[in-house]
Amino acid sequence: QKEVEQDPGPLSVPEGAIVSLNCTYSNSAFQYFMWYRQYSRKGPELLMYTYSSGNKEDGRFTAQVDKSSKYISLFIRDSQPSDSATYLCAMGDNTNAGKSTFGDGTTLTVKP
Amino acid sequence: NAGVTQTPKFRVLKTGQSMTLLCAQDMNHEYMYWYRQDPGMGLRLIHYSVGEGTTAKGEVPDGYNVSRLKKQNFLLGLESAAPSQTSVYFCASSYSTGGARTEAFFGQGTRLTVV
Repeated sequence: QKEVEQDPGPLSVPEGAIVSLNCTYSNSAFQYFMWYRQYSRKGPELLMYTYSSGNKEDGRFTAQVDKSSKYISLFIRDSQPSDSATYLCAMGDNTNAGKSTFGDGTTLTVKP
Repeated sequence: NAGVTQTPKFRVLKTGQSMTLLCAQDMNHEYMYWYRQDPGMGLRLIHYSVGEGTTAKGEVPDGYNVSRLKKQNFLLGLESAAPSQTSVYFCASSYSTGGARTEAFFGQGTRLTVV
């Protein structure tokens, strides 16, 4: 079993929809939770970063972490065609040389 | 700032050939990483480095070697390329974790095909 499991997708939604992307994990040592966005044929770029449990909001994006359930989510409000990309969750702890463990990614398409 | 720059962007190799992928970062990051990304398998860590002159194995190190002679550069070598090494390779760098942040900054990738 993988340390990080991500909803596989693909996901296709109409413009303006609310999108929920989810990951579960098994390593209770993870303290840092990140979401990366990867456009086609590009490198991943950091979208959201959270530490421990709770919510973090940045514009149309909200990252949610529930450490008790080992579950993280990324919500996208008022989705736009420009949000079409692959979203990767990633997690890390303070003892592992800065390494992150990545989910396999969920590909999102937002249709105009 | 250029961030993380990978060279080359594309390459086709014949089985058994060797090559070196270069990664350069201008953010003075301590940590650098090489990942490969294959369809349906996410990002898998090949090797990483926690500072100049140091390297360590990641999840899938076989068939690859690395060197970090200068802080800003991290080289990935394939001594004898195999078709199974056809992939997209990403280099990344990150801050020291003394202050606890582990987000990585990625390069644009190198698309390698081994025929």
